[in-house]
Amino acid sequence: AQTVTQSQPEMSVQEAETVTLSCTYDTSESDYYLFWYKQPPSRQMILVIRQEAYKQQNATENRFSVNFQKAAKSFSLKISDSQLGDAAMYFCAYRGRNQFYFGTGTSLTVIP
Amino acid sequence: GAVVSQHPSRVICKSGTSVKIECRSLDFQATTMFWYRQFPKKSLMLMATSNEGSKATYEQGVEKDKFLINHASLTLSTLTVTSAHPEDSSFYICSARPGQDVLGLFFGSGTQLSVL
Repeated sequence: AQTVTQSQPEMSVQEAETVTLSCTYDTSESDYYLFWYKQPPSRQMILVIRQEAYKQQNATENRFSVNFQKAAKSFSLKISDSQLGDAAMYFCAYRGRNQFYFGTGTSLTVIP
Repeated sequence: GAVVSQHPSRVICKSGTSVKIECRSLDFQATTMFWYRQFPKKSLMLMATSNEGSKATYEQGVEKDKFLINHASLTLSTLTVTSAHPEDSSFYICSARPGQDVLGLFFGSGTQLSVL
C-alpha cells in the first residue's frame, strides 16, 4: 500500500528566510504524481505545486520549489523568501493508479 | 478554472437529525468526487469515492447507512449524515478531479458540522 510520511509535525521560519518541508513516500508504482497542498486557517485546501514522476526536472512555482528524488522516494518543498501568508498546514500528497494519499501534515509558522 | 463549491460552510444541528452537504464542480465535469473528514490539526481521511450514476465506494470503517452519498449528475455530489450524533461532529471536505490526473484534486471550502 502507498504511504506518505511527513516527519516534521511543526516547523517555523523567520520572515524572508527559506524553509524546507520534507516528505517521503512508499510505492511500487512507476507512474504517479506528487503534490503539495496548503491549508491556511480558513481550511481551504490550496494546490501549491505538482510534480509528475516521469519528469526529472524539479517543479517550480514562484517562491515554491520541490526537490524530487525518485530513487529515494523523497519529495521536499522549499519555500523561499517566506511571507506571513505562508503560515499554514502543508500536506504532501501522492496520486497513483487508484487514489490520493495524504501525509499527516506539517504546521508552518512564519515569525515576523 | 477548476472551482469546487461546497455548502453549507457551517451547520449546527440537534442529535438525531439529518444533514445534507452539497459539493458542486462549477466549471468542469467530475465523474468522480471524493469526501474527506478532517479532525482538528489532523490529515484528511478519505471516507468515500462518489461515482456519477453508480454507488459510492466507501472506505473501510465508514458506515454506508450513516453517510449517504448521491452523485446524481456530473457536477453535483451530496453527503447526507443521517441521524447525526455528537461524535459525527467534524470538518467534512469534498474534492473533485478534472479529467487530467496531473491537475490533482480541487477542494471545496469544507463544512464544519456540529451536532448538539
